Amino acid sequence: QQQVKQSPQSLIVQKGGISIINCAYENTAFDYFPWYQQFPGKGPALLIAIRPDVSEKKEGRFTISFNKSAKQFSLHIMDSQPGDSATYFCAASWNSNYQLIWGAGTKLIIKP
Amino acid sequence: DTEVTQTPKHLVMGMTNKKSLKCEQHMGHRAMYWYKQKAKKPPELMFVYSYEKLSINESVPSRFSPECPNSSLLNLHLHALQPEDSALYLCASSGGTATNEKLFFGSGTQLSVL
Repeated sequence: QQQVKQSPQSLIVQKGGISIINCAYENTAFDYFPWYQQFPGKGPALLIAIRPDVSEKKEGRFTISFNKSAKQFSLHIMDSQPGDSATYFCAASWNSNYQLIWGAGTKLIIKP
Repeated sequence: DTEVTQTPKHLVMGMTNKKSLKCEQHMGHRAMYWYKQKAKKPPELMFVYSYEKLSINESVPSRFSPECPNSSLLNLHLHALQPEDSALYLCASSGGTATNEKLFFGSGTQLSVL
């Protein structure tokens, strides 16, 4: 119940294409869903986050889509660029809890 | 300054050594964290300090000993580690209290235990 399942494990997208990473959860108490981006040799950095009272949040080329009834959320990267090549982690938590439940991660490669 | 600075960047130590990892932030954050990350895995929470007091210890072995000398500094003292402790150790900080919102991570210390 505390798991967040992330897919795919790896993804290759052509430059200019749309990258889509999906996450699913079981615990309906989760109320905060962030996405972190991690480059090799660096710590994760918060990319974008959403709460379940909205179905979509957009920041620049990055969009989170949230489906509360399906208990799924996804990250869309529009016009993907080589600089977006990184590992992406979804996560979830509840009630401002210190503990984040992390997905397994997706290694994204954008081909020039 | 929105950085979390960790030193050293790399560390190699033997199983009998004692070493310390250091972390510093000047964002006024009152919660600081230690995470452990194995290759191709998500970070795993180890410790949380809130207002310089240890608030969370995620059942971490006693060979890892955290310390928070002041609101800007966080140390992780290492002693008698095992080869399986080799990993990237990440420090993070956040807002006013131990909350999941907007963690700022450092670049980590890559630790190898021989």
